[in-house]
Amino acid sequence: AQRVTQPEKLLSVFKGAPVELKCNYSYSGSPELFWYVQYSRQRLQLLLRHISRESIKGFTADLNKGETSFHLKKPFAQEEDSAMYYCALRYQGAQKLVFGQGTRLTINP
Amino acid sequence: GAGVSQSPSNKVTEKGKDVELRCDPISGHTALYWYRQSLGQGLEFLIYFQGNSAPDKSGLPSDRFSAERTGGSVSTLTIQRTQQEDSAVYLCASSLDQGFTYEQYFGPGTRLTVT
Repeated sequence: AQRVTQPEKLLSVFKGAPVELKCNYSYSGSPELFWYVQYSRQRLQLLLRHISRESIKGFTADLNKGETSFHLKKPFAQEEDSAMYYCALRYQGAQKLVFGQGTRLTINP
Repeated sequence: GAGVSQSPSNKVTEKGKDVELRCDPISGHTALYWYRQSLGQGLEFLIYFQGNSAPDKSGLPSDRFSAERTGGSVSTLTIQRTQQEDSAVYLCASSLDQGFTYEQYFGPGTRLTVT
């Protein structure tokens, strides 16, 4: 079965430090991978997707099929990055998303 | 334009009672999804509607859960004989179509508490 694992439930870093949120998946085919973010008192929203190969709010994520990973990175964290982050996978032929358990990121001043 | 809306925002019910949760998708979106967000469980897929096709019910945890989508728009998720383990935030999402670059837009959720 398809699965997404985010090994860190909580992650705390200082402002200006690099941040990496880990995401690993299990799926033998070609997946679509996403990062969703939920800021305090806001609804869940798409941050970025691997097919776009874009940088959003300074965040990037590269799909590594060999390691089945899609880690989210930002070189210099900002306080407004504090939020809940979910990694999600869509497998071929499906519309639903399979989510990880989420990582709560806290950026300390 | 207006995003996905859900009602009620909060619902407290007694164990054993039935509850109905409502979702209004973005106008024109043909796909509608229900997910459940539980503490420590992340987001779990429940059910998916696409146009007039048969819904994908593969994520419904038990036969106490059901959902319908009327007129291809509004959807209602019904939980019968609620149990304490049903307490969670129920999220609805909609998307434009099955296109390769589709994006799911989420509602604010309904927080269900079963006492």
